[in-house]
Amino acid sequence: GESVGLHLPTLSVQEGDNSIINCAYSNSASDYFIWYKQESGKGPQFIIDIRSNMDKRQGQRVTVLLNKTVKHLSLQIAATQPGDSAVYFCAENRNTGGFKTIFGAGTRLFVKA
Amino acid sequence: KAGVTQTPRYLIKTRGQQVTLSCSPISGHRSVSWYQQTPGQGLQFLFEYFSETQRNKGNFPGRFSGRQFSNSRSEMNVSTLELGDSALYLCASSLDLRTASGNTIYFGEGSWLTVV
Repeated sequence: GESVGLHLPTLSVQEGDNSIINCAYSNSASDYFIWYKQESGKGPQFIIDIRSNMDKRQGQRVTVLLNKTVKHLSLQIAATQPGDSAVYFCAENRNTGGFKTIFGAGTRLFVKA
Repeated sequence: KAGVTQTPRYLIKTRGQQVTLSCSPISGHRSVSWYQQTPGQGLQFLFEYFSETQRNKGNFPGRFSGRQFSNSRSEMNVSTLELGDSALYLCASSLDLRTASGNTIYFGEGSWLTVV
């Protein structure tokens, strides 16, 4: 069925390095994507979003890239810090007769000091 | 502006009991969604409410139900609790502006339910 999936379940990076978290989606009609960060014991927190008419969007230390040709989404975190350790979810808003947010399985990011 | 507020944050119930969880959305947000999250699992969609009506429903048994009030606040109920219902229950709200970006959902901190 249709899904938003993640390439890697865990990612371990050295503090100060850049992190790249990947996500694949299968519904080519999807037109809006979001990244969420979930820290231990907390609810997911909105990080950044991107519309399908864009290829790239930058925030504070984060960049989201969208490749519609291969239906791939990535989140880049610059100069990764210990506070970035969390589970990251990609999500997709689809119009199913009412919008519905579909989440990927999540990638756990470990930052090594 | 206050975020999504969920109560209670933690609760323990025994098998067979029922539980009601409450959610107050961000002011002005009209859509409220509920998700279940278990260890090792992703976010499983339960249902979504708008204007006191359930618009979308996930693949959960009828023991899981919800409702939304005229002030957009929402409750979800789980009856005849099972051990497998132990999870983090997350509520999320959105503006619902009939555009994909207007439907970005913002989460509360969740209610941790343990069934013993």
